[in-house]
Amino acid sequence: AQSVTQPDIHITVSEGASLELRCNYSYGATPYLFWYVQSPGQGLQLLLKYFSGDTLVQGIKGFEAEFKRSQSSFNLRKPSVHWSDAAEYFCAVAANQAGTALIFGKGTTLSVSS
Amino acid sequence: GAGVSQSPSNKVTEKGKDVELRCDPISGHTALYWYRQRLGQGLEFLIYFQGNSAPDKSGLPSDRFSAERTGESVSTLTIQRTQQEDSAVYLCASSIQDGPFRDQYFGPGTRLLVL
Repeated sequence: AQSVTQPDIHITVSEGASLELRCNYSYGATPYLFWYVQSPGQGLQLLLKYFSGDTLVQGIKGFEAEFKRSQSSFNLRKPSVHWSDAAEYFCAVAANQAGTALIFGKGTTLSVSS
Repeated sequence: GAGVSQSPSNKVTEKGKDVELRCDPISGHTALYWYRQRLGQGLEFLIYFQGNSAPDKSGLPSDRFSAERTGESVSTLTIQRTQQEDSAVYLCASSIQDGPFRDQYFGPGTRLLVL
């Protein structure tokens, strides 16, 4: 069965430092992968997605993610974190090829220190 | 140009009561999804509607949960005889039918507390 693991429950990063949030997935076929961000009091917002092609995908707000099939990973990165990036981040994989449902990881909470 | 809206934003109910949650998708979005987010957990898929097709109910946790959608408009998620473990944030999302996959746009959620 498909699953998503986000090993880090909580990460604290200094403002201006680089960020990497880990995501590992389990899926038999070529996965459709996503990163969402959930800021306090707001709904989930799609940061970026991977379907096929270039394994390094660019998203909004300066985020990028790299798909590594050999490692079953889709880690999210940002070269310089801003205080406004503090939020909860969810990695997700499409549950089927039709993409009618997403399977989410449990999320990583990012805190940004000054 | 509004996004997905959900009501109520918060609901407190007593164990055993029925509750109804509402979702208004983005206009023109043919697909609608319900998810549940329990404290400290990721989102769990509940149900998916696409146009007039039969809904995908594979994520509904029990027969106490049901959902309806008329055409491509509002959807209601009903939980009968609520239990304390139903306490969660219920999220709705909608998307355009466009290609093999569609970006899902999420509402702010309804926070349900069952006492």
